[in-house]
Amino acid sequence: QQQVKQSPQSLIVQKGGISIINCAYENTAFDYFPWYQQFPGKGPALLIAIRPDVSEKKEGRFTISFNKSAKQFSLHIMDSQPGDSATYFCAASGNNNDMRFGAGTRLTVKP
Amino acid sequence: DAGITQSPRHKVTETGTPVTLRCHQTENHRYMYWYRQDPGHGLRLIHYSYGVKDTDKGEVSDGYSVSRSKTEDFLLTLESATSSQTSVYFCAISQPSTGELFFGEGSRLTVL
Repeated sequence: QQQVKQSPQSLIVQKGGISIINCAYENTAFDYFPWYQQFPGKGPALLIAIRPDVSEKKEGRFTISFNKSAKQFSLHIMDSQPGDSATYFCAASGNNNDMRFGAGTRLTVKP
Repeated sequence: DAGITQSPRHKVTETGTPVTLRCHQTENHRYMYWYRQDPGHGLRLIHYSYGVKDTDKGEVSDGYSVSRSKTEDFLLTLESATSSQTSVYFCAISQPSTGELFFGEGSRLTVL
């Protein structure tokens, strides 16, 4: 069973809008929650990550919101740009080097 | 770039043939990983290594074996390829201090 559930599968946003991608996890031993960005033909690359001791982390236009009690976290992309069009993966891991990924969200930002 | 090279980048093979994918790193990191990426499944861990000759199974290890005889090289072998192993395979290394994964550019394998 998938330990990290991600939604939506695809997302279309107008330039300047806000993109929101949600993830939920099951394993309470997870203590590291990264988001990866992947462009076609490339490997995923770390975008931003959070640990459960904080509820929010912001880096530029990208923000992770984390709700430990609900076992949910989300990625917000403010002022979305066409260059943000990519596939985004949430992930979660504990101390066993087994990082679990969500199924991915294909984001398209229309100019 | 994190200094990860995967080879081959593309391969087409037939059912029942053996296939070996190679991952080479220049970062001298201890941990190396093999993932497969399939639509609707994200990335799933096949095997990982925590040192020379030290490996362990991941979530989807059946039908795959790995070897690591040198720090810089991590090999993934499909002893007898099946069509269900058609996928894009990614090698990754992890940053020891943060746990961040750095991925290679992937190897696309098609099993006919």
